[in-house]
Amino acid sequence: NAGVTQTPKFQVLKTGQSMTLQCAQDMNHEYMSWYRQDPGMGLRLIHYSVGAGITDQGEVPNGYNVSRSTTEDFPLRLLSAAPSQTSVYFCASSYDRGNQPQHFGDGTRLSIL
Amino acid sequence: KNEVEQSPQNLTAQEGEFITINCSYSVGISALHWLQQHPGGGIVSLFMLSSGKKKHGRLIATINIQEKHSSLHITASHPRDSAVYICAVTYGGATNKLIFGTGTLLAVQP
Repeated sequence: NAGVTQTPKFQVLKTGQSMTLQCAQDMNHEYMSWYRQDPGMGLRLIHYSVGAGITDQGEVPNGYNVSRSTTEDFPLRLLSAAPSQTSVYFCASSYDRGNQPQHFGDGTRLSIL
Repeated sequence: KNEVEQSPQNLTAQEGEFITINCSYSVGISALHWLQQHPGGGIVSLFMLSSGKKKHGRLIATINIQEKHSSLHITASHPRDSAVYICAVTYGGATNKLIFGTGTLLAVQP
């Protein structure tokens, strides 16, 4: 079972560049989410989706876009990368937003120069 | 004050020791999660509980809803248990929002 697959694992960008972080799950989970993890802080929710075609903002959505065209895929787009977006990004999926175990990907380590 | 507080922030133990990591929260919750993250690695869900106690191998998680407190215990600790342990709560209400603690870094020395 693949679970939650994130690509790439590492990426270095220059300020102003755009890129898409990929996330795919094969567990038929309706709920998917993107978090960023920064030193000394808990995971913070960027965007989430409760099903195909439905997305909503989390607590730190600025500078990021998402879409959910299929149940399996939930890409995160950085529109114009800024150094403040240097972070580790995790995608997660679950049968339910908070009352079921969360399944996380291995993370994408992103550096913005 | 953070809504989810973990203690200690850092913990060093000798192999074989009994380890306790604590999590306190200040909001009404419907569930509490314990997660494990190895250095440079992904995040794995260890437990989700809403009452009482759960056990999996050498790991035990307990929760006291009245006191808004949970503990994660590791018996007979081993160097492979070295990781960051993260407590998260599902905020009660329609949103089922997850709120994460900042983690406890555990190092088990041989």
